[in-house]
Amino acid sequence: SAVISQKPSRDICQRGTSLTIQCQVDSQVTMMFWYRQQPGQSLTLIATANQGSEATYESGFVIDKFPISRPNLTFSTLTVSNMSPEDSSIYLCSAAGTGSNTGELFFGEGSRLTVL
Amino acid sequence: GQNIDQPTEMTATEGAIVQINCTYQTSGFNGLFWYQQHAGEAPTFLSYNVLDGLEEKGRFSSFLSRSKGYSYLLLKELQMKDSASYLCAVRGPGGFKTIFGAGTRLFVKA
Repeated sequence: SAVISQKPSRDICQRGTSLTIQCQVDSQVTMMFWYRQQPGQSLTLIATANQGSEATYESGFVIDKFPISRPNLTFSTLTVSNMSPEDSSIYLCSAAGTGSNTGELFFGEGSRLTVL
Repeated sequence: GQNIDQPTEMTATEGAIVQINCTYQTSGFNGLFWYQQHAGEAPTFLSYNVLDGLEEKGRFSSFLSRSKGYSYLLLKELQMKDSASYLCAVRGPGGFKTIFGAGTRLFVKA
């Protein structure tokens, strides 16, 4: 298994500002992903964080709004840019490929963002 | 397109058995997962199916029929702590990209 640490765990942000969420895994992992979970909803995949190259974004998500970095096999960041109240959500970092033969995802505790 | 359907809510009694169904239509298939998520917490892995049939793991079992695009999660001997959301998720081919259903909120009552 993998232990994933995210920070900040929560923040209150002003409209128009940007916030970077950090995700640290305690072991090297093949794949890292960023999900969004709005209150009472399920998880929506934002992008796959690719080590050493540009992230792969899902439909409806773009690099200018959600720039992602992944400089190595244990760390990634997600920036939520030019925030609006609609960006209020929980952002979850996840990882796979930690030696398990099923490739299940492990999740960080999430970063709860409130945009005023 | 991708579509994963599961019931929104279910209620069951402590000690009973409950079955949560999931149907999926996805572009490619490389495994189906069930995750449990308690309120305010991150999802945790419960089970994995890639071949047809039943996988049993203690009080939890999961079934898959690939031809029908159907899975279920069976929870036996329900406990109050089983009250949570149960997320059906499908992994696509070629990597570990996983898409989640909307989740089923299970309420276990005494």
